[in-house]
Amino acid sequence: GAVVSQHPSRVICKSGTSVKIECRSLDFQATTMFWYRQFPKQSLMLMATSNEGSKATYEQGVEKDKFLINHASLTLSTLTVTSAHPEDSSFYICSVRGLLAGTQETQYFGPGTRLLVL
Amino acid sequence: RKEVEQDPGPFNVPEGATVAFNCTYSNSASQSFFWYRQDCRKEPKLLMSVYSSGNEDGRFTAQLNRASQYISLLIRDSKLSDSATYLCVVKPSAGGTSYGKLTFGQGTILTVHP
Repeated sequence: GAVVSQHPSRVICKSGTSVKIECRSLDFQATTMFWYRQFPKQSLMLMATSNEGSKATYEQGVEKDKFLINHASLTLSTLTVTSAHPEDSSFYICSVRGLLAGTQETQYFGPGTRLLVL
Repeated sequence: RKEVEQDPGPFNVPEGATVAFNCTYSNSASQSFFWYRQDCRKEPKLLMSVYSSGNEDGRFTAQLNRASQYISLLIRDSKLSDSATYLCVVKPSAGGTSYGKLTFGQGTILTVHP
């Protein structure tokens, strides 16, 4: 079954509006979640690391004031794209850190949110 | 140089064929290695980990060569359902600002045809 859920799965919005994407860990408590972005025909690029109860850690080149991350509980992290523009249109995917076979750390991904900004 | 490099393909093979993907990584201190599979417009899903001794899961065999910083994935007896993009994924060494992060290759596109 699914380990991570995301909502919404797809959103279309007008330029200048803000969009909130939710990421939920279903199977276990997650102190750390990750937010990625994937443009067509490109690989996943890590945007930020979401830490429960503290500020998110952003990757170089990612504007923290534009991509607001809130990780208020052990099962929920939200990404808000503020004042979205067409160039923000992308596939946004969250992931939760977990253990593979109880020993090796890996990540489990949500189903992704496809954002289209008109 | 990219941290993780893959041949983007595409690889077009008939059903039943054997196909191999290669990947190189630049950070010699990398700790863990994975192959993920991503179907069109879907999220990546873990296919298998890659261990130094090599490991096999059914028709899939993964190998790691730390000296050459090289990872491979071999798929035997290809099925139509194997058509997807295969992502080589590397986890940097533990600790510091890289803790928990994964670095993804561009992905290799595989199409298996009847």
